[in-house]
Amino acid sequence: DAGVIQSPRHEVTEMGQEVTLRCKPISGHNSLFWYRQTMMRGLELLIYFNNNVPIDDSGMPEDRFSAKMPNASFSTLKIQPSEPRDSAVYFCASSLGGGEWETQYFGPGTRLLVL
Amino acid sequence: EDKVVQSPLSLVVHEGDTVTLNCSYEVTNFRSLLWYKQEKKAPTFLFMLTSSGIEKKSGRLSSILDKKELSSILNITATQTGDSAIYLCAGRVAAGNKLTFGGGTRVLVKP
Repeated sequence: DAGVIQSPRHEVTEMGQEVTLRCKPISGHNSLFWYRQTMMRGLELLIYFNNNVPIDDSGMPEDRFSAKMPNASFSTLKIQPSEPRDSAVYFCASSLGGGEWETQYFGPGTRLLVL
Repeated sequence: EDKVVQSPLSLVVHEGDTVTLNCSYEVTNFRSLLWYKQEKKAPTFLFMLTSSGIEKKSGRLSSILDKKELSSILNITATQTGDSAIYLCAGRVAAGNKLTFGGGTRVLVKP
């Protein structure tokens, strides 16, 4: 079975450009999570969705970040405009349900470098 | 604000040694604590602990939760070079699937 799929795997862009990260959750999973990992702040939850609806976006750093989940098999995380401090590894994870017993499965991540 | 702290930040051991990793948490409406292993890429799930004092084991790895002390430990016995990774713990709140991760412990096992 395919795991969580993320694209691109690496992205290098210049400050001010728009960046779009993509995620396909595991088929049948109803919850999707976006995380950001940096050396300074570790692994932080940005936003998560249950049944395509955003449940908690309190981790989204600022208005430059937005996330959508138009259907059960696709989500995007957009940064516009990007800044050097956005450089990080962005992980998408999914779980079967939104309950407190569910295991989250992580994708391979997108390594973003903003110059 | 929920907080999870791991110690040590990093450690270096030799094959065959035993390591103990620590995780302490301050999570409102705490439900469970999870351990993940992160090698080069994505974190992979190891354990989920919900009850205090009950050890979970998987091969050479074991973990236990102490709700009184708001902490957990992860033990790795007879370490191998393949155990080299970052080990992450995360606290989860009740009635949801939101995880708060600690900063991780980087383990390097030398031959």
